Amino acid sequence: AQSVTQLDSQVPVFEEAPVELRCNYSSSVSVYLFWYVQYPNQGLQLLLKYLSGSTLVKGINGFEAEFNKSQTSFHLRKPSVHISDTAEYFCAVSENNNAGNMLTFGGGTRLMVKP
Amino acid sequence: NAGVTQTPKFRVLKTGQSMTLLCAQDMNHEYMYWYRQDPGMGLRLIHYSVGEGTTAKGEVPDGYNVSRLKKQNFLLGLESAAPSQTSVYFCASSSYNYEQYFGPGTRLTVT
Repeated sequence: AQSVTQLDSQVPVFEEAPVELRCNYSSSVSVYLFWYVQYPNQGLQLLLKYLSGSTLVKGINGFEAEFNKSQTSFHLRKPSVHISDTAEYFCAVSENNNAGNMLTFGGGTRLMVKP
Repeated sequence: NAGVTQTPKFRVLKTGQSMTLLCAQDMNHEYMYWYRQDPGMGLRLIHYSVGEGTTAKGEVPDGYNVSRLKKQNFLLGLESAAPSQTSVYFCASSSYNYEQYFGPGTRLTVT
């Protein structure tokens, strides 16, 4: 069975500093990978996804992530964060042979951007 | 396009009461899902559906039932609510490209 680990439950960072949110997964088959963002009292919104092709994926709001198959990681990065990036971020994985396109989520990382 | 909508937004139940959460999507998606979100645990899949008239169990199905009589609607039922079911419930839908679209959530408190 697949699983997703987000290594940091909270990441405080100053505005305009770079940030990396870490995600590792385990699976015995090929996977698709996703990062979602959740702003307070809202649903989840897709930031970016990796299905195939280039391992460096660019998403919305200046975020990018790199798929590293050998390290089974999909870390999310942004070179310069804004106050508005304060939110909870979820990494998710889907095994590409599952009939229902089901996602398994990590526990989430709360990004707190300070002025 | 409203996307994915959920009704109600908030609900307080007493232990043993029943209720139904409604999810509707207007994107003609085949797949629909119900998740619960609890602090530190991310989202966990309760039930899902791969098409009208079909449902299947997810990771945490106990105490919940679902129905998908119409393609655009996915109902989640709690027959006898328990305090352990206090949570935020999210519905999502997707097509064949693996991207799931989420509703705004329902905050349920069981006392």
